[in-house]
Amino acid sequence: DQQVKQNSPSLSVQEGRISILNCDYTNSMFDYFLWYKKYPAEGPTFLISISSIKDKNEDGRFTVFLNKSAKHLSLHIVPSQPGDSAVYFCAARDGGYQKVTFGTGTKLQVIP
Amino acid sequence: DGGITQSPKYLFRKEGQNVTLSCEQNLNHDAMYWYRQDPGQGLRLIYYSQIVNDFQKGDIAEGYSVSREKKESFPLTVTSAQKNPTAFYLCASSIRDPNQDQPQHFGDGTRLSIL
Repeated sequence: DQQVKQNSPSLSVQEGRISILNCDYTNSMFDYFLWYKKYPAEGPTFLISISSIKDKNEDGRFTVFLNKSAKHLSLHIVPSQPGDSAVYFCAARDGGYQKVTFGTGTKLQVIP
Repeated sequence: DGGITQSPKYLFRKEGQNVTLSCEQNLNHDAMYWYRQDPGQGLRLIYYSQIVNDFQKGDIAEGYSVSREKKESFPLTVTSAQKNPTAFYLCASSIRDPNQDQPQHFGDGTRLSIL
């Protein structure tokens, strides 16, 4: 039972344009959501997060939006840069158990 | 520099052997985690520990064992009972505070292969 879903395995975007990565979840007990960036053969690097009491969090070029009623979050990268090319994982924490569940990842390619 | 160190980077195991993956952190984090990543899949939780001398099974604990004797260390043993051990293993740690939203920080992983 996949509680955190990233339905797009890959995404290609032109440099300078917006990248939008999407994530859906099913567990209403999730109270904290995170995005990680991962390069091959390395560990994930924390990118940005959002608490369930908010609907938007912004950090430089990265913005995360949370729609609790739709159980959907998205990561916007503006403007996209070639160095953003990586696999992005969406993750969600179960407030009761303090466990974090990860999605399957979306591979972003930013084309120069 | 504070961080999480996983060793070795690459590890090879013969069929029927147990093998232990090391994870050390100097971030003074209470909580530590072990994940497994397979191609095309997300990170799946094997075991986690919120405090020294205590740990809980994650979603795929069968064939694995852990110990948490020191705050800084959380070694993972892949036993011969694990039927498909070839994978990329990631260790993480985080602050344990229910009143704070804190991310997990990851090491660079160990790739385990069966000979």
